[in-house]
Amino acid sequence: DTQLTQSPSFLSASVGDRVTITCRASQGISSYLAWYQQKPGKAPKLLIYAASTLQSGVPSRFSGSGSGTEFTLTISSLQPEDFATYYCQQLKSYPITFGQGTRLEIK
Amino acid sequence: QLQLKESGPGLVKPSETLSLTCTVSGGSISNNIYYWGWIRQPPGKGLECIGTFYYGGSTNYNPSLKSRVSISVHTSNNQFSLNLSSVTAADTAVYYCARLNSGPDAFDIWGQGTMVSVSS
Repeated sequence: DTQLTQSPSFLSASVGDRVTITCRASQGISSYLAWYQQKPGKAPKLLIYAASTLQSGVPSRFSGSGSGTEFTLTISSLQPEDFATYYCQQLKSYPITFGQGTRLEIK
Repeated sequence: QLQLKESGPGLVKPSETLSLTCTVSGGSISNNIYYWGWIRQPPGKGLECIGTFYYGGSTNYNPSLKSRVSISVHTSNNQFSLNLSSVTAADTAVYYCARLNSGPDAFDIWGQGTMVSVSS
């Protein structure tokens, strides 16, 4: 299985801050990486796919980069609605796996 | 607009079989364009992909669950289902069905999720 490790697991930030979350894969996955946002009691929402492509309707303050084994999700200027948990996911090989999540909290 | 909705018992006894159905509306699961799958999330924990399938093609199961899980398709009702046998408390989770879009290689549409507790 391809393991995904996110860092940090918890992040405290303020509205307007720029934040970056990292996802490291245990083996190369090319650009087969997606990022999701999940709010309490809700299903995950797709933000970015193919490592850097913004899903339709997602604000441009979200961006993704990376390939191979190291990836990042950046939020350029945090908005109140961005406080949530974020997950990375790989589809280079089965089983499909997710990172353990990064919880983004208001400072 | 495509929508998915999970349904099934909210409580299952240990050692029994958990059975859930995902009803798809606004599109056909047999259009051979998309994959479909089940994902679960134990309370307070992360996401685990249970399995995915492509209509008329292969089904992939998570090896950690493969001996206990099966996914089947019911095209007449535009539904697919999940069966997980010999459940324990560790199977307590919110269960989601979702569309796996092979274009972006990501789950782009999700159901709302259904909570299943395993308890006697």
